[in-house]
Amino acid sequence: NAGVMQNPRHLVRRRGQEARLRCSPMKGHSHVYWYRQLPEEGLKFMVYLQKENIIDESGMPKERFSAEFPKEGPSILRIQQVVRGDSAAYFCASSAGGPLETQYFGPGTRLLVL
Amino acid sequence: GQNIDQPTEMTATEGAIVQINCTYQTSGFNGLFWYQQHAGEAPTFLSYNVLDGLEEKGRFSSFLSRSKGYSYLLLKELQMKDSASYLCAVITGRRALTFGSGTRLQVQP
Repeated sequence: NAGVMQNPRHLVRRRGQEARLRCSPMKGHSHVYWYRQLPEEGLKFMVYLQKENIIDESGMPKERFSAEFPKEGPSILRIQQVVRGDSAAYFCASSAGGPLETQYFGPGTRLLVL
Repeated sequence: GQNIDQPTEMTATEGAIVQINCTYQTSGFNGLFWYQQHAGEAPTFLSYNVLDGLEEKGRFSSFLSRSKGYSYLLLKELQMKDSASYLCAVITGRRALTFGSGTRLQVQP
């Protein structure tokens, strides 16, 4: 049973470009969460999605960031017009039921903005 | 608001026992998780406490006191591979995990 998959593992972008981060949840999981981890800091919640629905986006920056989890395919975290401060590790997690169930994390995407 | 406190760093000796504390002040509480994270890797699930008391799982145990807003992770028979960050996270009424900043544990020979 494959775990949570994320790609790419490493992504380099120049300021002003777009970054697309993909997450495939564990088989049988329909709840996806995105977290951001800045260097030497803890994980910060960004957004919680179920298939085709955003349940909680209270941790998402108001501008440039968006997330989706379509009926088919992976969840996508999209960052438009990246800035240096967006450089971080972005982790996706999934759970079978809602957040009261254990969340399993993917390996993360390390975004570097030059 | 949400506030979760853990010590920043701890050092322990191989074979010993170490206790990592976590205190929290949150609006709503539905459970507490502990995760292990090695440098550059994903967090991996260790334990989940909802009710007061001790949960034991092999060399790792986790304790929760809801009335005190307190939890600890106990690691026994420490091994070098236990050197990692240990993350305390709380599920609140916001329906999302709120993480502490993590405790970096260094196990020495």
